[in-house]
Amino acid sequence: GQNIDQPTEMTATEGAIVQINCTYQTSGFNGLFWYQQHAGEAPTFLSYNVLDGLEEKGRFSSFLSRSKGYSYLLLKELQMKDSASYLCAVYNNAGNMLTFGGGTRLMVKP
Amino acid sequence: DAEITQSPRHKITETGRQVTLACHQTWNHNNMFWYRQDLGHGLRLIHYSYGVHDTNKGEVSDGYSVSRSNTEDLPLTLESAASSQTSVYFCASSAQGYETQYFGPGTRLLVL
Repeated sequence: GQNIDQPTEMTATEGAIVQINCTYQTSGFNGLFWYQQHAGEAPTFLSYNVLDGLEEKGRFSSFLSRSKGYSYLLLKELQMKDSASYLCAVYNNAGNMLTFGGGTRLMVKP
Repeated sequence: DAEITQSPRHKITETGRQVTLACHQTWNHNNMFWYRQDLGHGLRLIHYSYGVHDTNKGEVSDGYSVSRSNTEDLPLTLESAASSQTSVYFCASSAQGYETQYFGPGTRLLVL
């Protein structure tokens, strides 16, 4: 089976940096995704990591360590519109299914 | 532009009724997925398909069925709706393999 853990809620200040962690246990790892989901909307793709290291995309970066079963999403220069849930999801090669963590609700305050 | 759509966006039904939720994608993706999202559980996989006439059970498939007669559509049927199936349902698609899944706008279902 798979187990994906991420904090339930986080609060940060506009203009600051926040790091959202995700730890996972899976057999046959085949990639980790981060999605953003605003309240009442569909999840939208943010990033994908399959190899160790940091992937940077504008204000957002995602890091992966396969040996530690660990990833984080780094959001820089926070804006009010970044208030959303951030979903960590892992692909394994048993059934090619994407399994999601419970999501982290980020609240950005002025 | 290619897209993925779901209908209806909102549905209220009664316990015991059969309900079908539609999902249509115009990306010509092979893979299609149905998830439900509930507070405290995140997104959970109901059924998925890797191509026409292929269907597979996910984590929470009891009480649901799907069929894939063409590439574009994967309707989700609740055989006999139960109050426990009140949820938000998302359809998603991906080209193949371990590629990114793209989500539809969701259907909010209330079973009374």
